[in-house]
Amino acid sequence: QVQLQESGPGLVKPSGTLSLTCAVSGGSISSDNWWTWVRQSPGKGLEWIGEIYHSGSTNYNPSLRSRVIISVDKSKNQFSLRLTSVTAADTAVYFCAKGQLGRFDYWGQGTLVTVSS
Amino acid sequence: QSVLTQPPSVSAAPGQKVTISCSGSRSNIGNNDVSWYQQLPGTAPKLLIFDNNQRPSGIPDRFSGSKSDTSATLGITGLQTGDEADYYCGTWDISLTTVVFGGGTKLTVL
Repeated sequence: QVQLQESGPGLVKPSGTLSLTCAVSGGSISSDNWWTWVRQSPGKGLEWIGEIYHSGSTNYNPSLRSRVIISVDKSKNQFSLRLTSVTAADTAVYFCAKGQLGRFDYWGQGTLVTVSS
Repeated sequence: QSVLTQPPSVSAAPGQKVTISCSGSRSNIGNNDVSWYQQLPGTAPKLLIFDNNQRPSGIPDRFSGSKSDTSATLGITGLQTGDEADYYCGTWDISLTTVVFGGGTKLTVL
C-alpha cells in the first residue's frame, strides 16, 4: 500500500519561498501515476495546486502557476513543491496525494505551513 | 466561492439516510467524472467514491454516488456517529484547466 509523507519547514517568512517534499513509500514514483499537491487554508476547503508525472510533465492551477514549481526526484522516490513570494494567504495545511483529475486515492497526513514574520 | 456548490451542512439521526449534492456546470461535472471525499477532523481527506459511483476497496456500501448532467450526489445510509465529517466533491474543469472542489458539507449525526 502506497504511503506518502510530507516534510518541510512549518514557518516561512512573507515574500519567502515555501518548500515541501513528499516521500513515497510502498510503491514507485515511476509507476504510471500522477503525484499531486493540494492545500487547505484554516477552516476552508480544498485547493488543487498542481501535479507531476515521473517523466517531469507538470500541470498547475492557473491561479498559482506563476509562483509554483513541482519537481520529482526518482532516485529518492519523492516529489517536491516550491511556492515563491508567499503571503499570509498561503498559510495552509499542504497535502501530497497520488492521483489525477480529482481522483486522489492516497494522501499524506498533511503539514501545516504558516507564513509569518 | 467554490466552482462546485455544496450545501454547507446536513444533518440526520443515526440509522437514517442523508444525501449531499454537488452542483457544477458543463465544463466540470458535465464532462468529467466526480470523486467524493470524507475528511474527519484533523485528518487528510479519504476517497469515498470515484468515477461518479465507484467505491474503492474497503469503503462500505453504505456510501453511494450518482451523477446526472451537471450535478452529483453522495448518499450515506445507516448513519453512524463516526460518519460525522466534512464531505467534498471534486472533478476536473476543462475550461479552468484545474481540479475543482466543492466548498465542503459538514455532516452532523444527531
